[in-house]
Formats: sequence, structure tokens, C-alpha cells
Amino acid sequence: AQTVTQSQPEMSVQEAETVTLSCTYDTSENNYYLFWYKQPPSRQMILVIRQEAYKQQNATENRFSVNFQKAAKSFSLKISDSQLGDTAMYFCAFMNQGAQKLVFGQGTRLTINP
Amino acid sequence: DTGVSQDPRHKITKRGQNVTFRCDPISEHNRLYWYRQTLGQGPEFLTYFQNEAQLEKSRLLSDRFSAERPKGSFSTLEIQRTEQGDSAMYLCASNENLGRGATEAFFGQGTRLTVV
Repeated sequence: AQTVTQSQPEMSVQEAETVTLSCTYDTSENNYYLFWYKQPPSRQMILVIRQEAYKQQNATENRFSVNFQKAAKSFSLKISDSQLGDTAMYFCAFMNQGAQKLVFGQGTRLTINP
Repeated sequence: DTGVSQDPRHKITKRGQNVTFRCDPISEHNRLYWYRQTLGQGPEFLTYFQNEAQLEKSRLLSDRFSAERPKGSFSTLEIQRTEQGDSAMYLCASNENLGRGATEAFFGQGTRLTVV
């Protein structure tokens, strides 16, 4: 079974700083997808960024980028120029290409301070 | 379309009572998922539907839990004889299976269940 581990329960940075959230996963599959989801307080979970395992190039979405290390099974999220609205729980998630369900990590609570 | 909608947002029930939650997915999405999220944890998969067919159920889904998706549109999740351990946020998500892969999963705001 696949597992996803987020080793940082909480992080806190000042506004405009860069922050990196860590995620490792375990799988024997070769084709899969990795995701970072953001869950603001009392609001629904939204997709931040997605990476296909067969792509060597790291995904980027504006201020959000990932460092995908397939051999190390590592998938970190970098948030540049952090904003107050980035305050949220962040979940790393894994999905097999053939499976349909997401496997989530425990989450990292990120606080951006003014 | 306003996204995935869940009702109710909050439910407080006494132990032993039955509860039912509803999820309305994004209209063109043929896949619908239920997840459970306890405090401080990531969501855990419960079950999913493709159209009206329930294709997978987690071992977390005991025989007190039942989910339906009649006509492949909205879905209901029923918990019978609720226990305090059922207290959690129940999340619904939907996406579209394009054959060559699935689109992004969109989540609802969840139903927070408290069993007292």
C-alpha cells in the first residue's frame, strides 16, 4: 500500500519569505501522480499543483513550485513571496495511475505572519 | 455551476442515531468520492462511484456505512447506529474520468459530524 509522510506538522514564516514544505512517499509503482492541496480554515480543499511521475520537469504554478525527486520519492512544495492568504493546511497526496483514490499525508499547518 | 455542494455543513447527533449526508457533484463529473477527515489528519478514502456504480469501498467503511449514487448524480452517505468514533469531517469530491486519465478532483466544504 502507498503511504505519504509529511514530517513538518507546523511551519511559520514572515510574509514575503520563501517556505518549503516536505513530503515523502512510498510506492512500488512507476506511473503515478502527486499533488499538493491547500485547505484554508473552514473552507474546502483546493488543488495547488500537480506532478505526473513520468515528467522530469518540475511543475510550477505562479508562486508555487515543486522539487520532485523520483528516485528519492520526495515531493516538496516551495512557496515564493508568501502571502497572508497562503495560511492554511497543506496536504501532499498520491494517486496511482490505475487507481482512482487519493492517499493523503498528515498535513502541514502553515502560518504566514504579517 | 458552483462546485461540489454538501449538506448539511454541520450535524450533531446522539450516539446510536442514524445520519445521512448528501453530496451534489459538479454536473459533468462522472466520478464521486467520499473521504473522512479526523482532526489534525489528512483525508482518508472511504468509497467512490463512477456514474451510479460503486466501484471501490475502503475497509474503513464498516457495515454501518452505506453510500448510494442513484442515477449517477447526487450521492448520499448514511451512517447507522452512530458511534463517537464516527465524529469527523466527511468530504465529498468529484472529477471526470476521461479514459486517458482523470481530471482534477474538486472537493466540497464537507459535513462535520459530532456524535455526543
